[in-house]
Amino acid sequence: EAQVTQNPRYLITVTGKKLTVTCSQNMNHEYMSWYRQDPGLGLRQIYYSMNVEVTDKGDVPEGYKVSRKEKRNFPLILESPSPNQTSLYFCASSHEGGVNRNTEAFFGQGTRLTVV
Amino acid sequence: AQSVAQPEDQVNVAEGNPLTVKCTYSVSGNPYLFWYVQYPNRGLQFLLKYITGDNLVKGSYGFEAEFNKSQTSFHLKKPSALVSDSALYFCAVRDSSGTYKYIFGTGTRLKVLA
Repeated sequence: EAQVTQNPRYLITVTGKKLTVTCSQNMNHEYMSWYRQDPGLGLRQIYYSMNVEVTDKGDVPEGYKVSRKEKRNFPLILESPSPNQTSLYFCASSHEGGVNRNTEAFFGQGTRLTVV
Repeated sequence: AQSVAQPEDQVNVAEGNPLTVKCTYSVSGNPYLFWYVQYPNRGLQFLLKYITGDNLVKGSYGFEAEFNKSQTSFHLKKPSALVSDSALYFCAVRDSSGTYKYIFGTGTRLKVLA
């Protein structure tokens, strides 16, 4: 089954304690990205990756890091989480052969992060 | 700057009645428009997209959307609403500047009343 898998689904952590949210897709997609969803703000892109070893900042990258060492994995790293990073996070992937903009994205089920 | 607006935070409709969820957009160049649905505790699921061609696009679960270039709108519609359609709906446009990100609206919560 084609899917994007995020782990963990729920996480409560303390300020400053490094954490990683994993994301894996089994569709051989080139393009992967991370979004955060906050009430009244919709989804905002944090980072994206066009392919292996190619990553770039989205709209709200401060406080986050990513890596793309393998095509299927795109972990989101919070080196020193703060309470304003409490949010619902989604990983997404899409096929971008030729970098087309007409492809739909597949989303993971989300990770609800609380930083206290 | 490219943007998407969903003017209604919530739409209530009786089961069996037609529903419309509104979306307007602002883009440079050709718009690539999408609708996604989010059920509780789930990720976003793709419903339909407009790329080019027929202005009426049909998608999953009986949904359709009408692209109107002059009004820069892409409203989501369904002829007969079901209680199970109750969810959060997002309109999105694909960025044309090179990042290829999705620019999402703020979402509209659809509530279908039995």
